[in-house]
Amino acid sequence: EAQVTQNPRYLITVTGKKLTVTCSQNMNHEYMSWYRQDPGLGLRQIYYSMNVEVTDKGDVPEGYKVSRKEKRNFPLILESPSPNQTSLYFCASSLARKNEQFFGPGTRLTVL
Amino acid sequence: QKEVEQNSGPLSVPEGAIASLNCTYSDRVSQSFFWYRQYSGKSPELIMSIYSNGDKEDGRFTAQLNKASQYVSLLIRDSQPSDSATYLCAVNLGSNYQLIWGAGTKLIIKP
Repeated sequence: EAQVTQNPRYLITVTGKKLTVTCSQNMNHEYMSWYRQDPGLGLRQIYYSMNVEVTDKGDVPEGYKVSRKEKRNFPLILESPSPNQTSLYFCASSLARKNEQFFGPGTRLTVL
Repeated sequence: QKEVEQNSGPLSVPEGAIASLNCTYSDRVSQSFFWYRQYSGKSPELIMSIYSNGDKEDGRFTAQLNKASQYVSLLIRDSQPSDSATYLCAVNLGSNYQLIWGAGTKLIIKP
């Protein structure tokens, strides 16, 4: 089944404790992206990747890191999480940037 | 001015009626247009994509694109309570295909 997977689905952590949210797609898509979604603010792009080893900042990159060492994986790293990073996070992928994006199930992160 | 605008709603429609959702976008080179449905706490799910002027139909859904007037709309015929969700409009703007998201319209179908 073609899909985007994310792990974990739910995470409660404390300020400053490094964490990684994994994202993987099995559709051989070149483009991958991370979003956060907060009430009233809609979807905001954090980082995106046009292809392996090519990443770029989105609209809200501060406090986040990403890497794209393999085509299928695009992990999101929070080196020192803070409470304002409490949010619902989505990973998405598409054949190319101009194509429709397919979303993972989401990761609900709470930083205490 | 936001580049992609939607009425936040909520839009309340009786069951069985036609729901009409609208999205306007700024005057840039627009490439492709998408409608997504999102249930509360779930991920966005692609409903329709449209690339050229006119109508595109898929089951109970019809997307309408008018590039001259810079709007794209989504019609849902025979609305069902299960159609109650937030509908997101997304537009590829500019030559670099940057995808811009609207804030979404909350649709409520009343039985």
